[in-house]
Amino acid sequence: QKEVEQNSGPLSVPEGAIASLNCTYSDRGSQSFFWYRQYSGKSPELIMFIYSNGDKEDGRFTAQLNKASQYVSLLIRDSQPSDSATYLCAVRSGGSQGNLIFGKGTKLSVKP
Amino acid sequence: DAMVIQNPRYQVTQFGKPVTLSCSQTLNHNVMYWYQQKSSQAPKLLFHYYDKDFNNEADTPDNFQSRRPNTSFCFLDIRSPGLGDAAMYLCATSGQTDGNEQYFGPGTRLTVT
Repeated sequence: QKEVEQNSGPLSVPEGAIASLNCTYSDRGSQSFFWYRQYSGKSPELIMFIYSNGDKEDGRFTAQLNKASQYVSLLIRDSQPSDSATYLCAVRSGGSQGNLIFGKGTKLSVKP
Repeated sequence: DAMVIQNPRYQVTQFGKPVTLSCSQTLNHNVMYWYQQKSSQAPKLLFHYYDKDFNNEADTPDNFQSRRPNTSFCFLDIRSPGLGDAAMYLCATSGQTDGNEQYFGPGTRLTVT
C-alpha cells in the first residue's frame, strides 16, 4: 500500500520564524510532489510542486525533495498568522497519470 | 478567471434521499476527480474521469455514482445517503502538464439528517 506520512501537529511557531513541514512517502517510483494549504472548512489550495531533487523556491515558500531518502519538506520563511492552516503533502506515482496520494496533513499555528 | 466551480456549496439531505453534486470547470482540463474529505482526514479519491474514461476506486461504495456529460461538467450522485456520507466533497481537475498538478474547487459540504 502506497503511503504518505506527515506529523499531524499542531506545529506552533512564532510570527516571523521559519516553519518546517515534513513528509515521507513509501513508493520509490513517485515522480511528482505537491504541497497544498487548506484553511479550516475550505478546499485545498496548491502552493508548491516539485519534481526534481533539490530545492525549489517561490516567495516565502521553499520545497525540498530528496528522492533517495523518500522525503519532501516545505519551509515557510517569515511565517505570518495568515499561514495558520493545515498543510497537505501529496505524491503522484505510477507515471504522469498516476493519482495523488495525500497525507493527513500537518496543522500549523503561527502565533502573533 | 479560469476556475473550478462547485454547486451547491452546502447541501442538506435526508437519510436515503438521493442527492446530486455538480462541478464545472473553465480550465479545459481533461481529467476530473471527485474526492471525499471528512474532518481531520486526507482527501479520499472516489473516482476520476480521464476524458470520457471512467475510473472507479476499488473501495468506492456502489452508493456513489458519477457522470461526465462533457469536458466542462461532472456530477456526483449519491443514491441513498447515509449518516456516514456526511463530508466535504471536493472536485479537482488536472491537465496535460508534466506533473499533472490538480486544482480543487471550493467543495460542497454535505449534511445528512
